Amino acid sequence: GAGVSQSPSNKVTEKGKDVELRCDPISGHTALYWYRQRLGQGLEFLIYFQGNSAPDKSGLPSDRFSAERTGESVSTLTIQRTQQEDSAVYLCASRRTGLSGEPQHFGDGTRLSIL
Amino acid sequence: EDQVTQSPEALRLQEGESSSLNCSYTVSGLRGLFWYRQDPGKGPEFLFTLYSAGEEKEKERLKATLTKKESFLHITAPKPEDSATYLCAVQAVTQGGSEKLVFGKGMKLTVNP
Repeated sequence: GAGVSQSPSNKVTEKGKDVELRCDPISGHTALYWYRQRLGQGLEFLIYFQGNSAPDKSGLPSDRFSAERTGESVSTLTIQRTQQEDSAVYLCASRRTGLSGEPQHFGDGTRLSIL
Repeated sequence: EDQVTQSPEALRLQEGESSSLNCSYTVSGLRGLFWYRQDPGKGPEFLFTLYSAGEEKEKERLKATLTKKESFLHITAPKPEDSATYLCAVQAVTQGGSEKLVFGKGMKLTVNP
């Protein structure tokens, strides 16, 4: 596609429920990132996928968070047993290669609200 | 610790009133400094990458510059459509040895007609 696509754009759920967020990267982009943007805060790195390599999960805040990506295609971020502090905008970005200095291109995010 | 600080947090300008936004950073070995623009309800839109001190990039009314500790985004004769939040980020290394962007909190610019 022309840009990074994320779905759903908004998600409201009750505390304790599981949620799954989806990201479609730009076609041909080998690198994919997930970030979290809390109100009034800068974007926080969560996880990085590069091609078929093992993902870098070092930014995930707890074991309730997990993500998958098949090859160089769609990625899903799953949050289990959601808590109110998980409320944020979750942004996905893709990059053409894993080379240093290449810009990341972002989707419009999923706004997650935990009641 | 890699860190990015943006100032001011918010800025109101009149149309045509030029100004500069500041981004101070600390990072272990700069591999790139990025400027993004973010409109409400949208994801960040890439503007510029700067790699080394002294480098400058321009796009329409925007010019980004870089020193060893700071970057400036100069806005010349802004228009209302330049109203947005401007984000500064540096490329840094994750605990897993990969690369990530470390972002500042952003600077909300409002340009009044």
